[in-house]
Formats: sequence, C-alpha cells, structure tokens
Amino acid sequence: AQSVTQLGSHVSVSEGALVLLRCNYSSSVPPYLFWYVQYPNQGLQLLLKYTSAATLVKGINGFEAEFKKSETSFHLTKPSAHMSDAAEYFCAVSDLDGGATNKLIFGTGTLLAVQP
Amino acid sequence: EAQVTQNPRYLITVTGKKLTVTCSQNMNHEYMSWYRQDPGLGLRQIYYSMNVEVTDKGDVPEGYKVSRKEKRNFPLILESPSPNQTSLYFCASSFGGRGELFFGEGSRLTVL
Repeated sequence: AQSVTQLGSHVSVSEGALVLLRCNYSSSVPPYLFWYVQYPNQGLQLLLKYTSAATLVKGINGFEAEFKKSETSFHLTKPSAHMSDAAEYFCAVSDLDGGATNKLIFGTGTLLAVQP
Repeated sequence: EAQVTQNPRYLITVTGKKLTVTCSQNMNHEYMSWYRQDPGLGLRQIYYSMNVEVTDKGDVPEGYKVSRKEKRNFPLILESPSPNQTSLYFCASSFGGRGELFFGEGSRLTVL
C-alpha cells in the first residue's frame, strides 16, 4: 500500500533563506505525487503535482519539487522564503491499490515558520 | 467561481445530537470525498463517492454516514456524535482518474 512520510513536523527559516521540506513515499506502482499548502483557517490548495512526466515540477508561488525514484523522495523547495509562505504543507500520494483512483494518502504535515 | 462549499464552518454540539455537514461543488466532478484532519495525523479519508448513488468507506468511517443523491452534493452525517469526532473536516472533489483534489474551506466540529 502507498504511504508518505514527511520528515520534520516543524521547520523554521529566515526570510530570504532556502526552504526545503522533505517527503518520502512508498508505492508499489508508479506514483502520482502532490504537495498541498494550508494557510491558517483555510482549506488545502494544490502547490504542484508529479504525474510521471518531467521529474522537476514547478508549482505556484515559486515552489518546485523533484521526483527521485532511486531515493523514493519528492522534496519541496523554494530558493528564497517569504513571510507569506508561512503555512502547513502536506505531501500526498495517489492511492491505486485500494481501487479508489482519486484517494490521496497524506503525510502528517510540516508547519513552516518564516522569521523576519 | 469554481469552488467546494461546506456548511457550517464552525459548530459546537453535544454528545448524541445528530448533525449534518453539507458539501456542494459546482465543477461537475464525479468524485467527492470527506477527510478529517487531526494534529499529528494529517488527513484521513472518511468516505468517498465515485458518482451519484455510489459511495464507499475510507479509512476511518466509524460513526459517519454519507449519501450522494445528486452529483453536486455530498453531505456527511453524524448520527450520534461523540467527543472523539471533534475534528476539522474537509470535503473534496475531482474529476475521475487520479486528478487533483479541490478542497472546501473546512468545518471545525467540537463535540462536548
């Protein structure tokens, strides 16, 4: 069965610094992978998704993620953090084993704090 | 505007008092789903629906019911709420075939 592990429940960076949020997945089939962002008191919004095309995926707000099959990773990065990036970030894998093709398996989330 | 709308956004209730959280989407999506979000556990799927009159259990269905009588609506029913159902609930929808999920803004439920 598919699963997702996010390393680090809390990450703090300085404004202008590199953002790196880690995600490792487990999947018995070629995965579809997603990063979602949740701002306070809001729903989840898609940042980017990997669907077996280019391994480097660019998303909104300057974020990107690289699919590395050999490392089973899909880490999220942004070269320069902005105060507005403070939010919770969720990595997710599309579950095929269960038959419900739109089910997403979510990681436990990483809360990103950006210090001025 | 394309959106998923949930109501109520906030609710405090007491143990055993039946309640319904409504969900409506205006994107003509076949697939709809309910998740609950709890600290340290991420989001866990409660129920999902592949289309009208087609529903199935997710990972944590106990204590919940759903129905899908119309394509746009997917209400979540708590027949006899208990304190362990205090949580943040999200409805989501998508087209078929591993598509992107669109989420509502969430419904924060407290059961006393």
